[in-house]
Amino acid sequence: EVLLVESGGGLVQPGGSLRLSCAASGFTFSTYPMHWVRQAPGKGLEYVSSILGNGGSTSYANSVEGRFTISRDNSKNTVYLQMGSLRPEDMAVYYCARDTRPGFAFDIWGQGTMVTVSS
Amino acid sequence: QSALTQPASVSGSPGQSTTISCTGTSSDVGGYNYVSWYQQHPGKAPKLMIYDVTNRPSGVSSRFSGSKSGNTASLTISGLQAEDEAEYYCSSYTSRSAPYVFGTGTKVTVL
Repeated sequence: EVLLVESGGGLVQPGGSLRLSCAASGFTFSTYPMHWVRQAPGKGLEYVSSILGNGGSTSYANSVEGRFTISRDNSKNTVYLQMGSLRPEDMAVYYCARDTRPGFAFDIWGQGTMVTVSS
Repeated sequence: QSALTQPASVSGSPGQSTTISCTGTSSDVGGYNYVSWYQQHPGKAPKLMIYDVTNRPSGVSSRFSGSKSGNTASLTISGLQAEDEAEYYCSSYTSRSAPYVFGTGTKVTVL
């Protein structure tokens, strides 16, 4: 079974940092681009970041550029999102998602992990 | 980066058809055949329903179909069923700095 499981969410103060993890199983992880998408409470989906299978190329939404860093460890079948300088507007459920490959869509999603930014 | 524009809500009776529009620009929807659609039930993760404008992933009902004309893509749900009641989001690849953009979301209500 293809599965993505996020972890690492929690409560953090404004200006703080947090690292999210997404553990993958059931497919050849290193051959798939991976993505992070977030959803603020009661709001719509927002693209956050992407990384290619070999980790050689990354992309970010303007809203997180310079504050978030995506990375992956193909030996551990895990993708990460290091979040820094967190703001109240970063509060959301963060989903990791697999790329359709080839394609430009997200075919498998994790269950999400909640990040709360509050003092 | 501006979100793609979707109607806030649409509705239909069981068995009827309903269509959701997704309007962008020539930098996203109009410029690429990389529009996808997602279904999200409350408290659940999104589910891919359509990719590359018209393609259905394995396991998705044939009642769901996608199309595109110019800068507007559409998702049609035929033979509405109670289980189709959910929020639907479109997404497109974009030539802007961030490679993807989502729509504003549409709540589908089955009357």
